[in-house]
Amino acid sequence: EAGVVQSPRYKIIEKKQPVAFWCNPISGHNTLYWYLQNLGQGPELLIRYENEEAVDDSQLPKDRFSAERLKGVDSTLKIQPAELGDSAVYLCASSPRTAPAGEQYFGPGTRLTVT
Amino acid sequence: GQQVMQIPQYQHVQEGEDFTTYCNSSTTLSNIQWYKQRPGGHPVFLIQLVKSGEVKKQKRLTFQFGEAKKNSSLHITATQTTDVGTYFCAGGVGNLIFGKGTKLSVKP
Repeated sequence: EAGVVQSPRYKIIEKKQPVAFWCNPISGHNTLYWYLQNLGQGPELLIRYENEEAVDDSQLPKDRFSAERLKGVDSTLKIQPAELGDSAVYLCASSPRTAPAGEQYFGPGTRLTVT
Repeated sequence: GQQVMQIPQYQHVQEGEDFTTYCNSSTTLSNIQWYKQRPGGHPVFLIQLVKSGEVKKQKRLTFQFGEAKKNSSLHITATQTTDVGTYFCAGGVGNLIFGKGTKLSVKP
């Protein structure tokens, strides 16, 4: 079984530029999460999808961050414009069950560096 | 808001020694999950505990969920170098809240 796929793995951009991250969850997993992880910290939830519906985006900074999961499978997370403080690892995870019961399977993450 | 605290932040052990990390929540949890993240890797699911007082074992790893469902622990018996990494607990009522993790290093 293929795991969660994320791309790109690394991204370096200048501040004020836009950036997008892509995630393909495990087949059949209806729940999808985007997390942000800073060095030495645990993952912090940005948004949770159940199928194509964003059921919790309360932690998503909506002035600059947006996300979509149009067909309930792949998802894209966008930042526009990026700020220096956005440098972090962005993790996507999927689960076969709805929160909080389902175990989460994480992708390798995208390491973003904003200069 | 809900918080999940983990202690210690770091633990250095000699290979063969035991290791324990503790997780505490400010609120009663519906479940708790444990993840391991190797250096440079991503979190990998280890186990989920749901019932009050539940104890589960995976080889040398023992997981406990407190009676009040507000705390949990992970104990590793006779650590090995392959146990190196950061161990996260994550608990919640709605979304999972991750602790900051305990970073384990093992000296051969």
